[in-house]
Amino acid sequence: SQLAEENPWALSVHEGESVTVNCSYKTSITALQWYRQKSGEGPAQLILIRSNEREKRNGRLRATLDTSSQSSSLSITATRCEDTAVYFCATDADTGNYKYVFGAGTRLKVIA
Amino acid sequence: DMKVTQMPRYLIKRMGENVLLECGQDMSHETMYWYRQDPGLGLQLIYISYDVDSNSEGDIPKGYRVSRKKREHFSLILDSAKTNQTSVYFCATGGPGVNERLFFGHGTKLSVL
Repeated sequence: SQLAEENPWALSVHEGESVTVNCSYKTSITALQWYRQKSGEGPAQLILIRSNEREKRNGRLRATLDTSSQSSSLSITATRCEDTAVYFCATDADTGNYKYVFGAGTRLKVIA
Repeated sequence: DMKVTQMPRYLIKRMGENVLLECGQDMSHETMYWYRQDPGLGLQLIYISYDVDSNSEGDIPKGYRVSRKKREHFSLILDSAKTNQTSVYFCATGGPGVNERLFFGHGTKLSVL
């Protein structure tokens, strides 16, 4: 079973709408990261949120972290077509070995 | 300009052939990674390297080995490739030295026939 898992598997929204992707994880962590992967590219980091933080923002992006329920969310406001991508959460499993575990991703399509 | 370069971008090999995937970085990051990505399975960690000749297995090391003789260069080797090693392979750098952010290359799409 995966240590990190995003849901839903896929979703689509119309441009300008807001969307939220969720992540659940199974171990204690020191930090959780959100990445975005566009077609044909490698993943790119969006936000890192540490275990002692509850919320982090980066422009139109907002990440939350709830360590009690071992869950995180990534919200995107005012979506654009270029937000179409696969969104991953990644955790470090609090082992200190920097072996980051990625979920299978949420496929987001933003429709014009 | 921060860059992770993977060569080649596309590779077709026959089952049983040896495969060498190469990765270079210009950021002097100590830590480098090899992941593979299959449809529906996300990114799976094959190996991590903490510096020259300091390598550690990830979650799926079987069938792979790595080599890191220079900090800026990390190779993934498949000895006698198998068809189930058909995948997209990503190299990444970063981790602890850069606030845990990973920088990924564009990937190498390997097909083993």
